[in-house]
Amino acid sequence: ILNVEQSPQSLHVQEGDSTNFTCSFPSSNFYALHWYRWETAKSPEALFVMTLNGDEKKKGRISATLNTKEGYSYLYIKGSQPEDSATYLCASQAARQLTFGSGTQLTVLP
Amino acid sequence: DADVTQTPRNRITKTGKRIMLECSQTKGHDRMYWYRQDPGLGLRLIYYSFDVKDINKGEISDGYSVSRQAQAKFSLSLESAIPNQTALYFCATSDLMGMSTDTQYFGPGTRLTVL
Repeated sequence: ILNVEQSPQSLHVQEGDSTNFTCSFPSSNFYALHWYRWETAKSPEALFVMTLNGDEKKKGRISATLNTKEGYSYLYIKGSQPEDSATYLCASQAARQLTFGSGTQLTVLP
Repeated sequence: DADVTQTPRNRITKTGKRIMLECSQTKGHDRMYWYRQDPGLGLRLIYYSFDVKDINKGEISDGYSVSRQAQAKFSLSLESAIPNQTALYFCATSDLMGMSTDTQYFGPGTRLTVL
């Protein structure tokens, strides 16, 4: 069983602030790293999937990086908006399964 | 209409009762999953199925069983519910072929309370 850890567990920022959080995962048997966005009362939705060391993905104000050698990924949000408030989940894929972290709950205060 | 649906959305039951959670998908995916989410623990895999004839236990399968009635339907049963099975349950699907990145698509979740 893989241990995927996310930090911080929760985060409050002011509208307009930029923020980032971390996902750590075992680098052995690694195939891909997934980020999901989960709004309250909705389904988790895929944001990014990355496979190669040094991968960087971007979608609007949100971006993510991947370091497979040291086993971590960062998610960045530039100029946070209240609609960015959600729980951000990362999941490490090895072979046939995803192993999820416990998430970072982001609250953006207007 | 949602691609992955779950019924019921909320359920309160008593200890010892049998309960079934149902998942249906219109995405045409072969792979289906059941997860439970507990505060502070993230999503944990209960069972997964790669096609109608393939059922696999996940990390926390004890106390649960599943049935893959068709490509589009995957049910999770609690034969005798206990309070520590109180959780938010998610169904997910994916169309992973061979060894590739496995983006999963989630249903809206079922909140189950066992008294």
